[in-house]
Amino acid sequence: TQLLEQSPQFLSIQEGENLTVYCNSSSVFSSLQWYRQEPGEGPVLLVTVVTGGEVKKLKRLTFQFGDARKDSSLHITAAQPGDTGLYLCARGEGGGADGLTFGKGTHLIIQP
Amino acid sequence: DTAVSQTPKYLVTQMGNDKSIKCEQNLGHDTMYWYKQDSKKFLKIMFSYNNKELIINETVPNRFSPKSPDKAHLNLHINSLELGDSAVYFCASSLGHGYTFGSGTRLTVV
Repeated sequence: TQLLEQSPQFLSIQEGENLTVYCNSSSVFSSLQWYRQEPGEGPVLLVTVVTGGEVKKLKRLTFQFGDARKDSSLHITAAQPGDTGLYLCARGEGGGADGLTFGKGTHLIIQP
Repeated sequence: DTAVSQTPKYLVTQMGNDKSIKCEQNLGHDTMYWYKQDSKKFLKIMFSYNNKELIINETVPNRFSPKSPDKAHLNLHINSLELGDSAVYFCASSLGHGYTFGSGTRLTVV
């Protein structure tokens, strides 16, 4: 099993601050996804990155895939309380039936 | 319309019982999955089912069995429940890179 390391595990910051969370692996992945999970709900897909060096933006969220396709980051600008949640990275192998391998997640709390 | 729906939302049962969790997707996806999320929020795949092909994570006890009556349904049956089976179970479906998860079933074995 190829492990995904996420950091930090926990992060609590004030509204309006910026933050970055990381997802790293020792092996190359063909694609990487970021999810956000709120209490009592399932993970919701935010983005899929497949090309080394790729950058995708979703409003105040910026996702980057490392050039070597072994790492990814999620940057949130001007965090808001609504950004609170569990952020998960996951690797998939070409969208095949093997499913996703998840990291252990970053618990993010944005305090008003 | 809920894309991936699973029932029940909560399930409390005694050790040794047999229980089932149902899952249905209306997205036309070709692959369905069951994941287990432990108390530390770690999500781990249990099964995937695609075109009658079942892929099983080797760490899953054989007390767990998925059953797919058709392409839109993948139910999870658990025999002889144990305390360690307590967790949140998520059904999901996918087409290519697009994955959609249900809202989970919190199973508590007492």
